[in-house]
Amino acid sequence: EPEVTQTPSHQVTQMGQEVILRCVPISNHLYFYWYRQILGQKVEFLVSFYNNEISEKSEIFDDQFSVERPDGSNFTLKIRSTKLEDSAMYFCASSEASGPGSNQPQHFGDGTRLSIL
Amino acid sequence: DQQVKQNSPSLSVQEGRISILNCDYTNSMFDYFLWYKKYPAEGPTFLISISSIKDKNEDGRFTVFLNKSAKHLSLHIVPSQPGDSAVYFCAADTGGFKTIFGAGTRLFVKA
Repeated sequence: EPEVTQTPSHQVTQMGQEVILRCVPISNHLYFYWYRQILGQKVEFLVSFYNNEISEKSEIFDDQFSVERPDGSNFTLKIRSTKLEDSAMYFCASSEASGPGSNQPQHFGDGTRLSIL
Repeated sequence: DQQVKQNSPSLSVQEGRISILNCDYTNSMFDYFLWYKKYPAEGPTFLISISSIKDKNEDGRFTVFLNKSAKHLSLHIVPSQPGDSAVYFCAADTGGFKTIFGAGTRLFVKA
């Protein structure tokens, strides 16, 4: 069964540094998402992406965050200047469809654990 | 953002018995409700969903019930198996491009 893959599985970065988290969504999926889960807390929506632009973003997704689909397969999340509170598990997801009337579940990767020192 | 609430952080059930996981929501505009299962060190895995126009959806051992008037849904697993031990997330979708998750309930199924 096709799956979403995320690299690296664990990223350790100094505070203030830029970090790029990478994801390869399922090949025929058109909608892409990033979520984060701070240790012990709920999974929080960050951003959704379709047709090379952001469809929706949460209040968490501020100017420090950006997403990109640099080629036909990768989907990346960049954090420009990391803060201690950015430490979390970051999950990428993809789906075939989304939006009103859709019932396509999202398929999640196994996450990247980001540790900010 | 407390639009989706799972008030029980954990649940322990004997193998073979029914597991009932509960979820409450506040936004009447939610279009679909979904349950995801999560094992440690893995991402959430889709389990079952229900449209807001239905009150029940069944898939094998898993059944989701939706009570719109009470803004409540539940996931029933019967019979429960030790392999069902995981964290279960209730999630809701407004039909847009955003899914809101509850805090999760950790299910322990004892052999």
